[in-house]
Amino acid sequence: GEDVEQSLFLSVREGDSSVINCTYTDSSSTYLYWYKQEPGAGLQLLTYIFSNMDMKQDQRLTVLLNKKDKHLSLRIADTQTGDSAIYFCAERYGNKLVFGAGTILRVKS
Amino acid sequence: SQTIHQWPATLVQPVGSPLSLECTVEGTSNPNLYWYRQAAGRGLQLLFYSVGIGQISSEVPQNLSASRPQDRQFILSSKKLLLSDSGFYLCAWSIGTLQETQYFGPGTRLLVL
Repeated sequence: GEDVEQSLFLSVREGDSSVINCTYTDSSSTYLYWYKQEPGAGLQLLTYIFSNMDMKQDQRLTVLLNKKDKHLSLRIADTQTGDSAIYFCAERYGNKLVFGAGTILRVKS
Repeated sequence: SQTIHQWPATLVQPVGSPLSLECTVEGTSNPNLYWYRQAAGRGLQLLFYSVGIGQISSEVPQNLSASRPQDRQFILSSKKLLLSDSGFYLCAWSIGTLQETQYFGPGTRLLVL
């Protein structure tokens, strides 16, 4: 079956880089996603990567994919207090998205 | 541009009472629609998805049901709520095939007492 795992918590100082990690199990995944959830709000799509790519960069966000190890990471450069949120990794499995439990990112000023 | 609405934003209901949560999408036609539940401190679990009016697929057996009476309206219901139905319910949409990227609504927080 499908499973997505993430570390639960990450604390960084404002201005530092944040790296949020995720592992998944389905080797046939086509798309992998990163969503951001601010307190009490829905999920905001941040970025996604197709499984034939190793890296994708979008402004302060860099996604790295290691297909061999089934490892996905999201790097946020120059982390700001507004980046504090829960970050969800998700993989597409058939007709549905399978989500990790989310990583709480806390940014200290 | 497309927007997705959910209401109510927050709901407190007694055990055994009925439930109706509504989701509507604007700015697109024939969207795929999804209901997810997020339990406290957990990831999201897909409950239902729909590729068209009257077409509902259920992912997990549960106390809930879904209906799609109109193209851009998706309703989540229950006849009798359980304590375990408490959570954050998120509606999402996508276009094209079910492989397309999903976009989420603001969510409804349900507390069953």
